[in-house]
Amino acid sequence: AQSVSQHNHHVILSEAASLELGCNYSYGGTVNLFWYVQYPGQHLQLLLKYFSGDPLVKGIKGFEAEFIKSKFSFNLRKPSVQWSDTAEYFCAVKTTSGTYKYIFGTGTRLKVLA
Amino acid sequence: EAGVAQSPRYKIIEKRQSVAFWCNPISGHATLYWYQQILGQGPKLLIQFQNNGVVDDSQLPKDRFSAERLKGVDSTLKIQPAKLEDSAVYLCASSLDTGDGYTFGSGTRLTVV
Repeated sequence: AQSVSQHNHHVILSEAASLELGCNYSYGGTVNLFWYVQYPGQHLQLLLKYFSGDPLVKGIKGFEAEFIKSKFSFNLRKPSVQWSDTAEYFCAVKTTSGTYKYIFGTGTRLKVLA
Repeated sequence: EAGVAQSPRYKIIEKRQSVAFWCNPISGHATLYWYQQILGQGPKLLIQFQNNGVVDDSQLPKDRFSAERLKGVDSTLKIQPAKLEDSAVYLCASSLDTGDGYTFGSGTRLTVV
């Protein structure tokens, strides 16, 4: 069965530190990939998405993600985090073959210390 | 552009009672989704509509959950009877087509006591 793994459940960083959140999926076919962010008390918002083309995708608020097909990974990065990046981050994968499925990871809770 | 509207924001019910949630997607979005997000977990798809037809309801506990989108616009999700383990945030999302990322509503936080 298809699945999405986010190995870091909780991450604590100081402001200006670099961020990398891991996301791995299990599915052998073509996928669309997404990162969502949920700020405290707010609803889920789309950060960035990858459908095809350049595997390095840039999103809002300075975030980027790289799709590495051979590793089934779509890691989220930001060179310098801010206190306002404190949130929960969800990776999602949409399979594109047959009856497609849209599957979320369990999320990574990021806390940035001022 | 107005977002995805959901109501109520919060609901507390006793087990074995029934409850209904309402969602109005972004105008023109053909695809509507209901997700269940239990505390500490990622959202889990319950049901997906394309216009007023069901595309995927494989993870919907059909013995107690039902959903409809009669006119292809707004949708209701019902739980009857509720169990303690149904305590979660119920998220509605919509997208322009099935390939896009979603726009989520604020969710309904259900507590079953």
